[in-house]
Amino acid sequence: RKEVEQDPGPFNVPEGATVAFNCTYSNSASQSFFWYRQDCRKEPKLLMSVYSSGNEDGRFTAQLNRASQYISLLIRDSKLSDSATYLCVFQSGAGSYQLTFGKGTKLSVIP
Amino acid sequence: GAVVSQHPSWVICKSGTSVKIECRSLDFQATTMFWYRQFPKQSLMLMATSNEGSKATYEQGVEKDKFLINHASLTLSTLTVTSAHPEDSSFYICSAGGQHNQPQHFGDGTRLSIL
Repeated sequence: RKEVEQDPGPFNVPEGATVAFNCTYSNSASQSFFWYRQDCRKEPKLLMSVYSSGNEDGRFTAQLNRASQYISLLIRDSKLSDSATYLCVFQSGAGSYQLTFGKGTKLSVIP
Repeated sequence: GAVVSQHPSWVICKSGTSVKIECRSLDFQATTMFWYRQFPKQSLMLMATSNEGSKATYEQGVEKDKFLINHASLTLSTLTVTSAHPEDSSFYICSAGGQHNQPQHFGDGTRLSIL
């Protein structure tokens, strides 16, 4: 099983739609979870951390399911500016700062 | 504002040239920095972990003599691609931070094109 599995998409959705991405991980030692956004030919930028209890930031909701080893990202009321590649990222604990990246899910929001 | 600065953002040079990329943490001290490489339509792949005051730790398959890393201060790490060839053309990104389960921050990336 791959360390991180993420549907590459592309997800093509109309403006205003709700879209959700999942990402599964195999390393049960993973302790920190993040969603990053990467625009074409740019560096990844942190979108949000993912907490055990789930967390929301405006139109974005992130959830973590440790039992099933996946995280999810929900985007409500999609905007054209949400078009990007969304990377799920995991960090193991025990003092390691090393990140493991998914390949990313491409989202295109269509007018 | 940016917390990690990377320079240069774009390099085009001839085959055989050595290219140095700098990564600076702006508002904090980073004992550890990371260097990634990303080929088109691929995910970021960790190349090496840069450790201040000691040798870098390279991932399997990454040639340490090809990709020289120097982390001489708590705010600066450099990656030198020695005798670069067209297959080294890629997007190189550094990151820093990540202590205490906090997210890492990435530099702007360096797009390297070897002719």
